[in-house]
Amino acid sequence: DAGVIQSPRHEVTEMGQEVTLRCKPISGHNSLFWYRQTMMRGLELLIYFNNNVPIDDSGMPEDRFSAKMPNASFSTLKIQPSEPRDSAVYFCASSIPGGAYEQYFGPGTRLTVT
Amino acid sequence: AQSVTQLDSHVSVSEGTPVLLRCNYSSSYSPSLFWYVQHPNKGLQLLLKYTSAATLVKGINGFEAEFKKSETSFHLTKPSAHMSDAAEYFCVVRNTGNQFYFGTGTSLTVIP
Repeated sequence: DAGVIQSPRHEVTEMGQEVTLRCKPISGHNSLFWYRQTMMRGLELLIYFNNNVPIDDSGMPEDRFSAKMPNASFSTLKIQPSEPRDSAVYFCASSIPGGAYEQYFGPGTRLTVT
Repeated sequence: AQSVTQLDSHVSVSEGTPVLLRCNYSSSYSPSLFWYVQHPNKGLQLLLKYTSAATLVKGINGFEAEFKKSETSFHLTKPSAHMSDAAEYFCVVRNTGNQFYFGTGTSLTVIP
């Protein structure tokens, strides 16, 4: 199993540009989570999906952020327009809902907005 | 409501001495609990999980955690620290709605 796959691993962009982060969950996992990690705020849940449906997006900072999950094997997190304060590491994780199934994390995307 | 409190933001131990990372949780029912480790510039890796079976849970790399309902604790221990254990550790509680609540993390330093 390849684990959770995220791309790109690093992204450097200028303020005002659109950024799209991608995630492929583990096959068979039907819950997907997007997190943001910074030194100041730690690990924050942005949004999570069950069976491709957004369940809780209360962690999405503002309307500049949007996330989609068009099918069970792919999700995107988009920032438009990007700002320097969006610089962070963005993690995607997947799990099987129910029981005590753990989350499996991807390697993260390090975003730098200049 | 669920929440997790990691009682120490930083812990330093000497190599070869025991490790104790403390975690308390609050939950209105029997929770699922996890410990994750994050090495510098890496993603989070599962160390161990508690699933209402045995209260003493063994994980990878010699780590263990004991679920104590009366104390609402799930402390992480290791008998002998290794230099490679230096990392950030997160305690996590999961609710029935499949939401995961992360502690603020404990940074472990291992002194040679």
